[in-house]
Amino acid sequence: LAKTTQPISMDSYEGQEVNITCSHNNIATNDYITWYQQFPSQGPRFIIQGYKTKVTNEVASLFIPADRKSSTLSLPRVSLSDTAVYYCLVGGMDTGRRALTFGSGTRLQVQP
Amino acid sequence: EADIYQTPRYLVIGTGKKITLECSQTMGHDKMYWYQQDPGMELHLIHYSYGVNSTEKGDLSSESTVSRIRTEHFPLTLESARPSHTSQYLCASSEPNQGARGGYTFGSGTRLTVV
Repeated sequence: LAKTTQPISMDSYEGQEVNITCSHNNIATNDYITWYQQFPSQGPRFIIQGYKTKVTNEVASLFIPADRKSSTLSLPRVSLSDTAVYYCLVGGMDTGRRALTFGSGTRLQVQP
Repeated sequence: EADIYQTPRYLVIGTGKKITLECSQTMGHDKMYWYQQDPGMELHLIHYSYGVNSTEKGDLSSESTVSRIRTEHFPLTLESARPSHTSQYLCASSEPNQGARGGYTFGSGTRLTVV
């Protein structure tokens, strides 16, 4: 099972681009990378999922280098409402696990 | 708009009471999960289900029990609530391949306080 490592916290200002990197050195061939956002007293919300290269949707981009040992969630022009905890999950069909484990995540604080 | 619904949203209850936390989803997902999360802490899987009449315990030992009689419904029950059960309980579901990949849809959670 791929272990993930993320920064514990990050600070940013409104309007800036924020990049959160997740390390997953022992990612398996069939593993996908998924990012979630969680606000206090809410359930995590799916942001984006990718396997390789770059994935973009209306809220974020996910960059995955060729070796797939890390991934970077990019949030363009953050606002105060992006203050949340962000989780990186790695897993795939071969994990044999019932459900993936959410680590401690990265606490992003956006300042005015 | 949520496709997975949890009720109640908040619950304060006395020690020794029996409680059931409700979770329903309208997506037809076979796989459903219950996570427990203390404030500012990690999510821990306490129960999961692959489908009707299938329930398994998760990574974190829990005194709660679950049932899966209908695909859309996955309630969690505490027979005798204790202050140590105070926590946030999150229900989730996933499409067949996404359970292993990490693609879950979560409800808003039930924040339980046992006094």
